[in-house]
Amino acid sequence: NAGVTQTPKFQVLKTGQSMTLQCAQDMNHNSMYWYRQDPGMGLRLIYYSASEGTTDKGEVPNGYNVSRLNKREFSLRLESAAPSQTSVYFCASSGAGSRDTVNSPLHFGNGTRLTVT
Amino acid sequence: QKEVEQNSGPLSVPEGAIASLNCTYSDRGSQSFFWYRQYSGKSPELIMFIYSNGDKEDGRFTAQLNKASQYVSLLIRDSQPSDSATYLCAVRRSGGSYIPTFGRGTSLIVHP
Repeated sequence: NAGVTQTPKFQVLKTGQSMTLQCAQDMNHNSMYWYRQDPGMGLRLIYYSASEGTTDKGEVPNGYNVSRLNKREFSLRLESAAPSQTSVYFCASSGAGSRDTVNSPLHFGNGTRLTVT
Repeated sequence: QKEVEQNSGPLSVPEGAIASLNCTYSDRGSQSFFWYRQYSGKSPELIMFIYSNGDKEDGRFTAQLNKASQYVSLLIRDSQPSDSATYLCAVRRSGGSYIPTFGRGTSLIVHP
């Protein structure tokens, strides 16, 4: 059981380049999330998807777009990368069985370390 | 002001001691509380969660919740150097989309 799988693990971009971070979960979770983690800032929510077909902005959505492709997959796109987007990105999912509840813990992927020069 | 507050540390304890990590939250609608451990360069992993006031024990870990005072704590008994990591507190509130809010984490160092 793979859990939450993120690709790529590392990426270096030049300013202005675009890329898509991929995330897939095999736990039949309804909810999926994208966080970024910067030193001293903790985990900050970029976007989330409470169910297939829905996405909503989190705390720091500017410069990002997301797609909930199906129940398993939730991708994060940087259309024009900026040095301020250098960070570690985590995808997470939650849901007790197929239904997310307030008591459901998040399960995290291994992260993508992105550097924008 | 962040809704979930943690002392950034580092908290340094000797091997074998009890490490006490604290977390306060501002939203009285918060219903469930999670502790994650994050080793340097790794992703957060769930240690335990608590929903009801009082204590919940799991091996060397005890979570304590006091909703009236709006704090949750994690005690680690018989601390080991392998417990050295950053500990993240997360809170989910009832109603709406249950978006979890994370504290910034407390760095724990257990020295031999």
